[in-house]
Amino acid sequence: GAVVSQHPSRVICKSGTSVKIECRSLDFQATTMFWYRQFPKQSLMLMATSNEGSKATYEQGVEKDKFLINHASLTLSTLTVTSAHPEDSSFYICSARRLADYNEQFFGPGTRLTVL
Amino acid sequence: QQPVQSPQAVILREGEDAVINCSSSKALYSVHWYRQKHGEAPVFLMILLKGGEQKGHEKISASFNEKKQQSSLYLTASQLSYSGTYFCGTEELGGGADGLTFGKGTHLIIQP
Repeated sequence: GAVVSQHPSRVICKSGTSVKIECRSLDFQATTMFWYRQFPKQSLMLMATSNEGSKATYEQGVEKDKFLINHASLTLSTLTVTSAHPEDSSFYICSARRLADYNEQFFGPGTRLTVL
Repeated sequence: QQPVQSPQAVILREGEDAVINCSSSKALYSVHWYRQKHGEAPVFLMILLKGGEQKGHEKISASFNEKKQQSSLYLTASQLSYSGTYFCGTEELGGGADGLTFGKGTHLIIQP
């Protein structure tokens, strides 16, 4: 159990376009979902915390108008990168916490975004 | 505040042991250990919550010191499959339901 999926796994887009990434908890309900970004050869950096039915909390330096997060249900959170630019190219990874297990986070497989 | 991991990288021969450390200047609520292979998402190894705690499975174990500011991951009789980058992710005491702050990672290479 505790599987998290992401879609798409890889996306290439033109500069100025918007890209939506989905994060789903497949076999459990998630109280909270997190979005991380990882640049090549670097660590994961938390971007935002997403709770179902409420506004996301963004980390310092992350533009909320550029990275739109919607947590529509206990099993789905989406991240939309608006007006993407080459510097947004990165590996985006979501994680989810189960209702029954507050502490552990389960990570999705990640989405590699390349902006041309 | 980002935890400090050491060493940055280590190269071992199959069967050798390794220790990876993760330190924080502040007391932590929890420490999570992950292994990430190139191009893949991190894979959860274990979580430590209590000061003085030690836990593990098979040949991978970890400890959390009494002050809850330092954790170590122990890899015993390493196997080729242990290669990857190991990250510790931490939550500070009083931090609420926040995401994890990850260290910069320790690159582990296991050679035959």
